[in-house]
Amino acid sequence: QQQVKQSPQSLIVQKGGISIINCAYENTAFDYFPWYQQFPGKGPALLIAIRPDVSEKKEGRFTISFNKSAKQFSLHIMDSQPGDSATYFCAAYTHTGGFKTIFGAGTRLFVKA
Amino acid sequence: GAVVSQHPSRVICKSGTSVKIECRSLDFQATTMFWYRQFPKQSLMLMATSNEGSKATYEQGVEKDKFLINHASLTLSTLTVTSAHPEDSSFYICSARATSGGGNGELFFGEGSRLTVL
Repeated sequence: QQQVKQSPQSLIVQKGGISIINCAYENTAFDYFPWYQQFPGKGPALLIAIRPDVSEKKEGRFTISFNKSAKQFSLHIMDSQPGDSATYFCAAYTHTGGFKTIFGAGTRLFVKA
Repeated sequence: GAVVSQHPSRVICKSGTSVKIECRSLDFQATTMFWYRQFPKQSLMLMATSNEGSKATYEQGVEKDKFLINHASLTLSTLTVTSAHPEDSSFYICSARATSGGGNGELFFGEGSRLTVL
């Protein structure tokens, strides 16, 4: 019940295309859903995050879509660029759960020039 | 965003020695820090939750005597890998949650420490 399932495991997108990464969760107590971007040899960096009372959040080229009833959320990267090539992790936590963050398995994105 | 500094970024040690990794929150106070371990091409595995002034809470399967965590101040947590062995070789990452100013409690990560045990 603590798992966050992420797909696909890897993704290849043409430059300018849309990258879509999906996540699903079981624990309805989760109340915050961040996405992290990680480059090789570096720590993860917060990209964008959403609360479950919002269906969509957009920041620049990055959009989170959230479906509370389906317990699913996704990251859309518009106009994908080679510099977006990285590993992306979805995550979830509860404010009442000590902020212990549960990570998805990660998606390795490669944007072809 | 908030800055978390982790040191050293890379360390190579001989089997049987101990290695200390520091995690500092540079521009905010963090009563809670987290230590993760990441194997190549895998996700982050939470090892322990470090609370300032109290004992760390370890996840199931993590040896507390092997991975000593100390959180002596609101800006510093340390992870000591004791009697390191080659199987302890991994990428260790710390994160900290800002405690002041409300907000969503986002985690800010250090740059990670690559440990290689020969």
